[in-house]
Amino acid sequence: EVQLVESGGDLVQPGGSLRLSCAASGFTFSSLWMHWVRQAPGKGLVWVSHINTDGSITNYADSVKGRFTISRDNAKNMLYLQMNSLRAEDTAVYYCASLVTRGPFDIWGQGTMVTVSS
Amino acid sequence: DIVMTQSPLSLPVTLGQPASISCRSSQSLAYSDGNTYLSWYQQRPGQSPRRLIYKVSNRDSGVPDRFSGSGSGTDFTLKISRVEAEDVGIYYCMQGKQWPPWTFGQGTKVEI
Repeated sequence: EVQLVESGGDLVQPGGSLRLSCAASGFTFSSLWMHWVRQAPGKGLVWVSHINTDGSITNYADSVKGRFTISRDNAKNMLYLQMNSLRAEDTAVYYCASLVTRGPFDIWGQGTMVTVSS
Repeated sequence: DIVMTQSPLSLPVTLGQPASISCRSSQSLAYSDGNTYLSWYQQRPGQSPRRLIYKVSNRDSGVPDRFSGSGSGTDFTLKISRVEAEDVGIYYCMQGKQWPPWTFGQGTKVEI
């Protein structure tokens, strides 16, 4: 089955850290750029971070630059997001997604909830 | 950054009737390769988003043909020819021409 499955979401205190994981299966993970997209409660979709196929190029939204780190392990078909210095405004459902814009295949995970609160 | 603006933000619809959502970009989404990188996503209540349309008018596999996309440059439209109950949800446009960042519209809530 073609799927992305996120995990690692939790309740964390402001200033804390969390590592999200995304397991890919059913498709050639190593051939796709991958992204993290978040959605605060009742709000819209916001792009967070991108990584190219071999992990040599990464991009971040200004709101998370310097605090979040995206990485991937193509041997394990895994995508990660290390989140440090978390703030209340980082509270959201975090989706891993391919965000393909050029071709017929696109896939999103079911999301994992991150709550930053004391 | 390219800003994506959708209208309306809320769209009451009648089953069996057509519906239309507009998306405007702050810059042309036409790329030097001749393509225009505008996608549409549907997010049903309680579900993750799924892509409906890519490159303005290309429907994804499994997407009913009552959904169609059109437009060029900075003005784009998603049309539903005859709304069905399963079409309730929030629809987002997204640009993939100039990045980072990849940017979404605010979303349009479609409700019966």
